[in-house]
Amino acid sequence: KQEVTQIPAALSVPEGENLVLNCSFTDSAIYNLQWFRQDPGKGLTSLLLIQSSQREQTSGRLNASLDKSSGRSTLYIAASQPGDSATYLCAVSTATGNQFYFGTGTSLTVIP
Amino acid sequence: GAGVSQSPSNKVTEKGKDVELRCDPISGHTALYWYRQSLGQGLEFLIYFQGNSAPDKSGLPSDRFSAERTGGSVSTLTIQRTQQEDSAVYLCASSPIGPQKLFFGSGTQLSVL
Repeated sequence: KQEVTQIPAALSVPEGENLVLNCSFTDSAIYNLQWFRQDPGKGLTSLLLIQSSQREQTSGRLNASLDKSSGRSTLYIAASQPGDSATYLCAVSTATGNQFYFGTGTSLTVIP
Repeated sequence: GAGVSQSPSNKVTEKGKDVELRCDPISGHTALYWYRQSLGQGLEFLIYFQGNSAPDKSGLPSDRFSAERTGGSVSTLTIQRTQQEDSAVYLCASSPIGPQKLFFGSGTQLSVL
């Protein structure tokens, strides 16, 4: 069964700092990988989707990379802002596409 | 609608009662997922619907849980004889087709007393 791990579980940084969140998965036979943001008491918002054939995706200050062979993905956030404070989750979909396996997330706090 | 809608947003029930949770996906989305998020835990897959295909029910934790999707649109998750361990946030997500960008609802917070 696919296992998804996110490190660190929590991170606190001063405003303006660049940061990297890590995601690792045990089975490289994935269809795609998705990064989400979850605010307290809310659902999840998809930030970036990387297909298995791609190496990275960018959206604004966010950049996600994928190394399928080593089972790793990183989410890079440039020039962090207090509004970036949230929990970030990564999820990988199975080759059959029937479900996504989620990590337990990294709780990010950006201090003004 | 503009997004995935879930109702109710909060549900408090007594142990042993049945509950129904509703999900209204984005119009035209053929894929629909139900997940459960317990406090401090990751998201747990429950069930997946894709178009008119038979649903993937492999994540349902017991036979007290069931789900249906009528007309390829609205989905209802039913929990019979609720137990305290069923307390969690139940999240619904849809996507245009299969495992692509997921759009989540705000969830239903279920509390079983």
